[in-house]
Amino acid sequence: NAGVMQNPRHLVRRRGQEARLRCSPMKGHSHVYWYRQLPEEGLKFMVYLQKENIIDESGMPKERFSAEFPKEGPSILRIQQVVRGDSAAYFCASSPLLGSNTGELFFGEGSRLTVL
Amino acid sequence: DQQVKQNSPSLSVQEGRISILNCDYTNSMFDYFLWYKKYPAEGPTFLISISSIKDKNEDGRFTVFLNKSAKHLSLHIVPSQPGDSAVYFCAALTGGGADGLTFGKGTHLIIQP
Repeated sequence: NAGVMQNPRHLVRRRGQEARLRCSPMKGHSHVYWYRQLPEEGLKFMVYLQKENIIDESGMPKERFSAEFPKEGPSILRIQQVVRGDSAAYFCASSPLLGSNTGELFFGEGSRLTVL
Repeated sequence: DQQVKQNSPSLSVQEGRISILNCDYTNSMFDYFLWYKKYPAEGPTFLISISSIKDKNEDGRFTVFLNKSAKHLSLHIVPSQPGDSAVYFCAALTGGGADGLTFGKGTHLIIQP
């Protein structure tokens, strides 16, 4: 499967715990985006990363949320001290080149976080 | 402030008829528009796009129309098929794309037999 891989698909956490969501982009893609979809809402941009660089994190909450895309391994979205309002579907998307960006992003199947 | 608006949460269309999904935007800096389709428990998949320098783009049963003066675009699906039942997201992009796509809330299209 050469698509965008996200895991876990489903994650349950209690309030105050940490959540880690992983995303492996499509082969050959060096740009990763994280989006969040709250119930009854559209997809909200969170962060855009290239390898070892955060390019744009304007959509990330200022506290508790962080993202990385290391030189080796998947991109990770980390949520510390989760609260019920963090319950959502988190989608990762990748694209090959910024310069060729006609906007087409390839999405993973999402990670559904439920905070009890 | 929502920059991309899809005012119809759902739309029901009979199989074989035309489905028209609408999208309005407020940011005049958007220069590329896309439609994504999403099935339950799956990620969105790209459907069709249009550059702001065009007013129409067609791909098979799918046609996207852009009216820049009205800041409005629409997706036409004809003829509609049962497999078209999904949530359709309108998305927009500014030059460079560094901010990522801005999505609408989606319209749930239901194709009735």
